[in-house]
Amino acid sequence: EPEVTQTPSHQVTQMGQEVILRCVPISNHLYFYWYRQILGQKVEFLVSFYNNEISEKSEIFDDQFSVERPDGSNFTLKIRSTKLEDSAMYFCASLGQTEAFFGQGTRLTVV
Amino acid sequence: GIQVEQSPPDLILQEGANSTLRCNFSDSVNNLQWFHQNPWGQLINLFYIPSGTKQNGRLSATTVATERYSLLYISSSQTTDSGVYFCAVDYSNSGYALNFGKGTSLLVTP
Repeated sequence: EPEVTQTPSHQVTQMGQEVILRCVPISNHLYFYWYRQILGQKVEFLVSFYNNEISEKSEIFDDQFSVERPDGSNFTLKIRSTKLEDSAMYFCASLGQTEAFFGQGTRLTVV
Repeated sequence: GIQVEQSPPDLILQEGANSTLRCNFSDSVNNLQWFHQNPWGQLINLFYIPSGTKQNGRLSATTVATERYSLLYISSSQTTDSGVYFCAVDYSNSGYALNFGKGTSLLVTP
């Protein structure tokens, strides 16, 4: 069964460093998303991406975040200058005809 | 934005018991999904159910769109059912993004 894959599964970074989280969505899907979940809290929408551009973003998705689809398969989330409060699980998702499928997540720890 | 309220927030069951989890939402939706987040943090799709009733093994779900709620039924619970159950509804008309509830944390004891 096709699945969304994310790498790395866990990343530790120092405050102020840039990180890139990577995702390979399901191949025939057209909408891609990033969500985050701070430990113990609910899953929060960050951004949706369609036709090589952002279609929707939340208040969380400020100037330190960017997304890119550098080739036909990868979808990345870049955090330019990480802060302690960016520590969270980051989920990539892609949308089929009706439902969204989530990757296993990348746990980002900023120290 | 659309509000999603889940109840109860926490639930402890003994193995074999049945339970009902509820999700209320504040506006009409095009998409409603139920997820199970396992102890490793993975979000597992359970149901895509903007309306109607579906069943998958011991789990079933019903959404009454006109009354803006959805129910997830777990029958004959097992310890592997433990985790957090999230309801999520579509966030906007332009990106089909999901707005998650705060979840119901379920613990099934032997």
